[in-house]
Amino acid sequence: EAEVAQSPRYKITEKSQAVAFWCDPISGHATLYWYRQILGQGPELLVQFQDESVVDDSQLPKDRFSAERLKGVDSTLKIQPAELGDSAMYLCASNSEREANEQFFGPGTRLTVL
Amino acid sequence: QKEVEQNSGPLSVPEGAIASLNCTYSDRVSQSFFWYRQYSGKSPELIMSIYSNGDKEDGRFTAQLNKASQYVSLLIRDSQPSDSATYLCAVGSGNTGKLIFGQGTTLQVKP
Repeated sequence: EAEVAQSPRYKITEKSQAVAFWCDPISGHATLYWYRQILGQGPELLVQFQDESVVDDSQLPKDRFSAERLKGVDSTLKIQPAELGDSAMYLCASNSEREANEQFFGPGTRLTVL
Repeated sequence: QKEVEQNSGPLSVPEGAIASLNCTYSDRVSQSFFWYRQYSGKSPELIMSIYSNGDKEDGRFTAQLNKASQYVSLLIRDSQPSDSATYLCAVGSGNTGKLIFGQGTTLQVKP
């Protein structure tokens, strides 16, 4: 069964360091989403890609976060510098137009900033 | 007012009972609605989607949608301890496919 792949699964870093997360969506899914989920809350959208183009990055803290999907397939989310408040689960999801907004999530990356 | 609201719980039901999870949303033009199950430390798993008023059944799960009341619910029949998880309600926003999530309701099914 096709799945969204993410790596690493866990990341511990010190504040002010740079971190990067990788996501490979389900094959053929043109739309890719990065969400952040703080413990006890629902996921919140950071950035949405349609192929290689950004559709929505209104909630992305652009002073420290960046995201790219250069070839319209896999994607990287970067934080530089990391802050204590960035500790969260970073989730990647994808969907295809045929599936009417049904989004499928990868396993996530648990980030801890010390 | 939050865009998607859920009671955080925990909701505790005995094994074999019906669990009823509720969600309200604020955007009247929303057209797509989803329920995700999330086990502790894991990522959300899509379990139901619903797009039109009424009921949609899939196995032990029934999703109910009432757009006039801006209300969506999930019923779990014959609840099992393995159903113990957080259930996230998500609502499609605008025409980009973006989902707005509630904070989730924690369900505990006691043997």
